[in-house]
Amino acid sequence: DTGVSQDPRHKITKRGQNVTFRCDPISEHNRLYWYRQTLGQGPEFLTYFQNEAQLEKSRLLSDRFSAERPKGSFSTLEIQRTEQGDSAMYLCASRARQGSREAFFGQGTRLTVV
Amino acid sequence: AQTVTQSQPEMSVQEAETVTLSCTYDTSENNYYLFWYKQPPSRQMILVIRQEAYKQQNATENRFSVNFQKAAKSFSLKISDSQLGDTAMYFCASFTGANSKLTFGKGITLSVRP
Repeated sequence: DTGVSQDPRHKITKRGQNVTFRCDPISEHNRLYWYRQTLGQGPEFLTYFQNEAQLEKSRLLSDRFSAERPKGSFSTLEIQRTEQGDSAMYLCASRARQGSREAFFGQGTRLTVV
Repeated sequence: AQTVTQSQPEMSVQEAETVTLSCTYDTSENNYYLFWYKQPPSRQMILVIRQEAYKQQNATENRFSVNFQKAAKSFSLKISDSQLGDTAMYFCASFTGANSKLTFGKGITLSVRP
Protein backbone atom coordinates (compact mmCIF):
# COMPACT_ATOMS: atom_id res chain seq x y z
CA ASP A 1 0.00 0.00 0.00
CA THR A 2 1.58 3.23 -1.15
CA GLY A 3 -0.70 5.71 0.56
CA VAL A 4 -3.87 7.60 -0.26
CA SER A 5 -4.67 7.58 -3.96
CA GLN A 6 -6.95 10.02 -5.77
CA ASP A 7 -8.26 9.86 -9.30
CA PRO A 8 -8.24 11.77 -11.54
CA ARG A 9 -5.41 14.16 -10.76
CA HIS A 10 -6.87 16.84 -12.99
CA LYS A 11 -10.36 17.44 -14.35
CA ILE A 12 -11.55 20.19 -16.66
CA THR A 13 -15.28 20.38 -17.13
CA LYS A 14 -17.83 22.72 -18.56
CA ARG A 15 -20.16 24.57 -16.26
CA GLY A 16 -23.29 22.58 -15.62
CA GLN A 17 -21.69 19.17 -16.07
CA ASN A 18 -21.44 16.56 -13.34
CA VAL A 19 -18.09 15.28 -12.11
CA THR A 20 -17.07 12.43 -9.83
CA PHE A 21 -13.81 11.97 -7.99
CA ARG A 22 -12.50 8.83 -6.35
CA CYS A 23 -10.34 8.34 -3.27
CA ASP A 24 -8.69 5.11 -2.17
CA PRO A 25 -7.51 5.43 1.44
CA ILE A 26 -4.76 3.51 3.16
CA SER A 27 -6.25 0.06 3.57
CA GLU A 28 -6.37 -0.21 7.35
CA HIS A 29 -7.70 3.33 7.87
CA ASN A 30 -11.36 3.52 8.78
CA ARG A 31 -11.61 7.32 8.81
CA LEU A 32 -11.80 9.19 5.51
CA TYR A 33 -12.04 12.93 4.93
CA TRP A 34 -12.70 15.22 1.99
CA TYR A 35 -11.34 18.75 1.96
CA ARG A 36 -11.44 21.56 -0.59
CA GLN A 37 -8.50 23.88 -1.09
CA THR A 38 -8.47 27.03 -3.17
CA LEU A 39 -5.29 28.72 -4.33
CA GLY A 40 -3.24 30.14 -1.48
CA GLN A 41 -5.67 28.99 1.19
CA GLY A 42 -5.77 26.20 3.73
CA PRO A 43 -7.89 23.10 3.23
CA GLU A 44 -11.55 23.47 4.20
CA PHE A 45 -13.39 20.49 5.62
CA LEU A 46 -16.19 19.09 3.48
CA THR A 47 -17.20 15.72 4.92
CA TYR A 48 -16.03 12.78 7.01
CA PHE A 49 -16.66 9.04 7.01
CA GLN A 50 -16.09 6.49 9.70
CA ASN A 51 -16.19 3.19 7.85
CA GLU A 52 -19.21 3.53 5.54
CA ALA A 53 -21.08 6.01 7.72
CA GLN A 54 -20.97 9.68 6.76
CA LEU A 55 -20.76 11.32 10.17
CA GLU A 56 -20.42 14.99 9.37
CA LYS A 57 -20.98 17.37 6.47
CA SER A 58 -19.84 20.95 6.28
CA ARG A 59 -22.22 23.78 5.43
CA LEU A 60 -19.89 24.26 2.46
CA LEU A 61 -21.31 21.05 1.04
CA SER A 62 -24.37 22.25 -0.85
CA ASP A 63 -27.02 19.89 -2.15
CA ARG A 64 -25.07 19.68 -5.42
CA PHE A 65 -22.36 17.77 -3.58
CA SER A 66 -22.69 14.17 -2.51
CA ALA A 67 -20.17 11.74 -1.10
CA GLU A 68 -20.31 8.01 -0.55
CA ARG A 69 -18.12 5.34 0.90
CA PRO A 70 -19.70 2.00 0.09
CA LYS A 71 -18.42 -0.89 2.19
CA GLY A 72 -16.11 1.45 4.05
CA SER A 73 -13.37 1.24 1.44
CA PHE A 74 -12.95 3.79 -1.37
CA SER A 75 -14.97 6.97 -1.46
CA THR A 76 -16.46 9.07 -4.23
CA LEU A 77 -17.28 12.76 -4.26
CA GLU A 78 -19.77 13.90 -6.88
CA ILE A 79 -20.52 17.47 -7.85
CA GLN A 80 -23.65 18.00 -9.90
CA ARG A 81 -24.30 21.02 -12.13
CA THR A 82 -20.80 22.36 -11.60
CA GLU A 83 -20.25 26.08 -11.20
CA GLN A 84 -17.10 28.14 -11.73
CA GLY A 85 -16.86 28.60 -7.97
CA ASP A 86 -16.36 24.87 -7.63
CA SER A 87 -12.90 25.19 -9.21
CA ALA A 88 -10.47 24.07 -6.53
CA MET A 89 -8.24 21.25 -5.38
CA TYR A 90 -10.21 18.46 -3.73
CA LEU A 91 -8.15 16.60 -1.17
CA CYS A 92 -8.83 13.25 0.40
CA ALA A 93 -7.23 12.11 3.64
CA SER A 94 -7.46 9.02 5.79
CA ARG A 95 -6.41 8.07 9.27
CA ALA A 96 -6.40 5.11 11.56
CA ARG A 97 -8.86 4.70 14.41
CA GLN A 98 -6.19 4.70 17.09
CA GLY A 99 -2.84 6.32 17.46
CA SER A 100 -1.46 9.70 16.61
CA ARG A 101 -4.50 11.18 14.86
CA GLU A 102 -2.23 11.91 11.91
CA ALA A 103 -4.11 12.24 8.65
CA PHE A 104 -2.45 11.06 5.45
CA PHE A 105 -3.33 13.02 2.34
CA GLY A 106 -3.63 12.09 -1.30
CA GLN A 107 -2.24 14.24 -4.07
CA GLY A 108 -5.63 15.77 -4.73
CA THR A 109 -7.87 16.26 -7.73
CA ARG A 110 -7.64 19.67 -9.32
CA LEU A 111 -10.99 20.70 -10.77
CA THR A 112 -11.30 23.51 -13.28
CA VAL A 113 -14.80 24.54 -14.33
CA VAL A 114 -14.86 26.57 -17.55
CA ALA B 1 -15.62 25.42 17.41
CA GLN B 2 -11.96 25.21 16.61
CA THR B 3 -10.09 27.99 14.87
CA VAL B 4 -6.50 28.14 13.69
CA THR B 5 -4.87 31.43 12.78
CA GLN B 6 -1.73 31.94 10.75
CA SER B 7 -1.28 35.66 10.35
CA GLN B 8 1.94 35.68 8.29
CA PRO B 9 1.15 34.99 4.62
CA GLU B 10 4.77 34.74 3.48
CA MET B 11 8.27 34.42 4.86
CA SER B 12 11.68 34.15 3.34
CA VAL B 13 14.88 32.77 4.85
CA GLN B 14 18.44 32.30 3.72
CA GLU B 15 19.64 28.75 3.31
CA ALA B 16 21.20 27.37 6.52
CA GLU B 17 19.51 29.95 8.71
CA THR B 18 16.69 29.47 11.21
CA VAL B 19 13.10 30.58 10.72
CA THR B 20 10.05 30.50 12.98
CA LEU B 21 6.49 30.21 11.68
CA SER B 22 3.70 31.41 13.96
CA CYS B 23 0.33 29.86 14.71
CA THR B 24 -2.38 30.47 17.28
CA TYR B 25 -5.44 28.34 17.85
CA ASP B 26 -8.60 28.32 19.86
CA THR B 27 -10.47 25.35 21.25
CA SER B 28 -12.66 24.63 24.24
CA GLU B 29 -11.43 21.05 24.44
CA ASN B 30 -8.83 19.86 26.92
CA ASN B 31 -7.64 16.95 24.82
CA TYR B 32 -6.42 17.91 21.38
CA TYR B 33 -3.56 17.51 18.95
CA LEU B 34 -1.67 20.11 16.97
CA PHE B 35 0.14 19.56 13.69
CA TRP B 36 2.30 21.30 11.17
CA TYR B 37 1.86 20.07 7.60
CA LYS B 38 4.07 20.92 4.62
CA GLN B 39 2.73 21.23 1.07
CA PRO B 40 5.49 21.61 -1.54
CA PRO B 41 4.53 23.18 -4.87
CA SER B 42 2.27 20.79 -6.79
CA ARG B 43 2.87 18.00 -4.32
CA GLN B 44 0.87 16.38 -1.62
CA MET B 45 0.56 17.48 1.97
CA ILE B 46 2.84 15.69 4.41
CA LEU B 47 3.12 15.81 8.17
CA VAL B 48 6.11 17.70 9.57
CA ILE B 49 5.53 17.44 13.30
CA ARG B 50 2.77 16.84 15.85
CA GLN B 51 2.16 17.77 19.46
CA GLU B 52 -0.25 16.22 21.93
CA ALA B 53 -1.75 18.92 24.13
CA TYR B 54 -1.32 16.89 27.30
CA LYS B 55 2.45 16.72 26.80
CA GLN B 56 4.40 19.63 28.21
CA GLN B 57 7.57 18.79 26.34
CA ASN B 58 7.91 20.45 22.96
CA ALA B 59 8.03 18.04 20.03
CA THR B 60 11.19 17.79 17.94
CA GLU B 61 11.82 16.06 14.62
CA ASN B 62 15.37 16.53 13.38
CA ARG B 63 15.63 20.15 12.18
CA PHE B 64 12.00 20.90 13.09
CA SER B 65 10.82 21.81 16.56
CA VAL B 66 7.81 23.49 18.06
CA ASN B 67 7.25 26.02 20.81
CA PHE B 68 3.94 24.97 22.36
CA GLN B 69 2.53 27.55 24.75
CA LYS B 70 -0.72 25.99 25.96
CA ALA B 71 -1.93 28.90 28.08
CA ALA B 72 -1.35 31.33 25.24
CA LYS B 73 -2.73 28.85 22.68
CA SER B 74 0.33 29.34 20.57
CA PHE B 75 2.08 26.69 18.47
CA SER B 76 5.04 27.95 16.46
CA LEU B 77 7.32 25.92 14.21
CA LYS B 78 11.07 26.46 14.16
CA ILE B 79 13.06 25.23 11.19
CA SER B 80 16.79 25.11 11.81
CA ASP B 81 19.48 24.94 9.13
CA SER B 82 16.94 25.74 6.42
CA GLN B 83 17.32 23.83 3.17
CA LEU B 84 16.11 24.62 -0.34
CA GLY B 85 13.76 21.65 -0.09
CA ASP B 86 11.96 23.34 2.79
CA THR B 87 10.39 25.75 0.30
CA ALA B 88 6.66 25.06 0.58
CA MET B 89 3.41 26.15 2.10
CA TYR B 90 3.16 25.27 5.77
CA PHE B 91 -0.16 24.72 7.47
CA CYS B 92 -0.88 24.63 11.15
CA ALA B 93 -3.79 22.36 12.11
CA SER B 94 -5.64 21.23 15.19
CA PHE B 95 -7.60 18.06 15.92
CA THR B 96 -9.98 17.22 18.74
CA GLY B 97 -11.79 14.02 19.45
CA ALA B 98 -15.04 15.95 19.82
CA ASN B 99 -15.41 16.57 16.11
CA SER B 100 -12.76 14.21 14.77
CA LYS B 101 -11.53 16.46 12.01
CA LEU B 102 -8.49 18.58 11.29
CA THR B 103 -9.01 22.32 11.20
CA PHE B 104 -6.39 24.17 9.19
CA GLY B 105 -5.02 27.67 9.19
CA LYS B 106 -4.65 29.62 5.95
CA GLY B 107 -1.03 28.63 5.62
CA ILE B 108 2.23 30.45 5.14
CA THR B 109 4.42 30.38 2.05
CA LEU B 110 8.04 29.82 3.01
CA SER B 111 10.78 30.50 0.50
CA VAL B 112 14.35 29.40 1.19
CA ARG B 113 16.88 31.49 -0.71
CA PRO B 114 20.16 29.95 -1.91
